[in-house]
Amino acid sequence: RKEVEQDPGPFNVPEGATVAFNCTYSNSASQSFFWYRQDCRKEPKLLMSVYSSGNEDGRFTAQLNRASQYISLLIRDSKLSDSATYLCVVNLNYGGSQGNLIFGKGTKLSVKP
Amino acid sequence: NAGVTQTPKFQVLKTGQSMTLQCAQDMNHEYMSWYRQDPGMGLRLIHYSVGAGITDQGEVPNGYNVSRSTTEDFPLRLLSAAPSQTSVYFCASKGRGRYEQFFGPGTRLTVL
Repeated sequence: RKEVEQDPGPFNVPEGATVAFNCTYSNSASQSFFWYRQDCRKEPKLLMSVYSSGNEDGRFTAQLNRASQYISLLIRDSKLSDSATYLCVVNLNYGGSQGNLIFGKGTKLSVKP
Repeated sequence: NAGVTQTPKFQVLKTGQSMTLQCAQDMNHEYMSWYRQDPGMGLRLIHYSVGAGITDQGEVPNGYNVSRSTTEDFPLRLLSAAPSQTSVYFCASKGRGRYEQFFGPGTRLTVL
């Protein structure tokens, strides 16, 4: 089983739509959770960290369910500029591997006018 | 700050050739890493370093060597390039106690 699995996508939505991405991870020892955004032919950039209590950053809301090993990202009022690939990322964060990130394959979002 | 820089941006090699992908960061980050990204797959960790003089293997280290003689630089060496190493390579760094990793712009490598 892949360590981090995401919705296959692609998601094609109109401007203003609400879209949700889901992600599951297999290693219960995972300590840190993130959503990264990657634009076409660019490097990944941190969108937001995901906390157990859930967290919000403007139009973006992230949720974590440790018991189900499930992470989600909700984007409200989608903008054209939200078009990108969204990467679900976990970090086992033990010993010397504190920075080693495990990436999902990503879900591509295309927001249309 | 320039952040994380990578050179070259593009490279074409023939099978069996060797080369070094350069990575540098000017943020005094202790942790640096190399990932490769292939179509239909997530980024996979090749090698990482938690400080100068310390390196370790990631998920897919075969065919690659690294060294970390300074905090700033973390070059990735391909010993004998193979077509299976055609990929986009990203270097990343992060500071001690920080979560966010900063990625370089990537090197697109094609091995013929």
